[in-house]
Amino acid sequence: DAKTTQPPSMDCAEGRAANLPCNHSTISGNEYVYWYRQIHSQGPQYIIHGLKNNETNEMASLIITEDRKSSTLILPHATLRDTAVYYCIVMDSWGKLQFGAGTQVVVTP
Amino acid sequence: EAQVTQNPRYLITVTGKKLTVTCSQNMNHEYMSWYRQDPGLGLRQIYYSMNVEVTDKGDVPEGYKVSRKEKRNFPLILESPSPNQTSLYFCASSLSVGTSGSGRQYFGPGTRLTVL
Repeated sequence: DAKTTQPPSMDCAEGRAANLPCNHSTISGNEYVYWYRQIHSQGPQYIIHGLKNNETNEMASLIITEDRKSSTLILPHATLRDTAVYYCIVMDSWGKLQFGAGTQVVVTP
Repeated sequence: EAQVTQNPRYLITVTGKKLTVTCSQNMNHEYMSWYRQDPGLGLRQIYYSMNVEVTDKGDVPEGYKVSRKEKRNFPLILESPSPNQTSLYFCASSLSVGTSGSGRQYFGPGTRLTVL
């Protein structure tokens, strides 16, 4: 199973970009990287996913290194509502998922 | 509206009294999964199902049972609950699994279970 490691916490100033790193050194060639976030105790919310190429949507950008062993989620202009726990996960072909503890992001005014 | 529903949302019970937490999705998803979340531990997968009649153990399956008799439902069964199963539980579904790019998970609102 491809495991991920993330820093436990990160602070970000409102209006600035937040760059969240994730290591997934054991990822296999056809496994996707997914990012979710969880606000308080709500159900996790999907943000973005990618395989090799960089991806962007209305919420964030995802940068995946060429060797695919790490990725960075970028929140371009953090707001107070982006305060949450962010999870980077890799889903294997058998459906097993390991979320880990995630990164607690606190956006400050 | 596309959604995953869980019932009940809150439950307080006593040790040994069998209970079932229901999970239903209306998106015709093949993949469904149950997680538990405890403080400081993130989400841990309990069981998952790739399709009807196919279920597999996640990282923490002990003390739980599941069934997938129809595509839309994936109930979580605690035959004899114990206090260490006090937790926040989430059900999720996705169209497919991760290697297809269709593994985006849709999560239910959660069920907060307390076992006394």
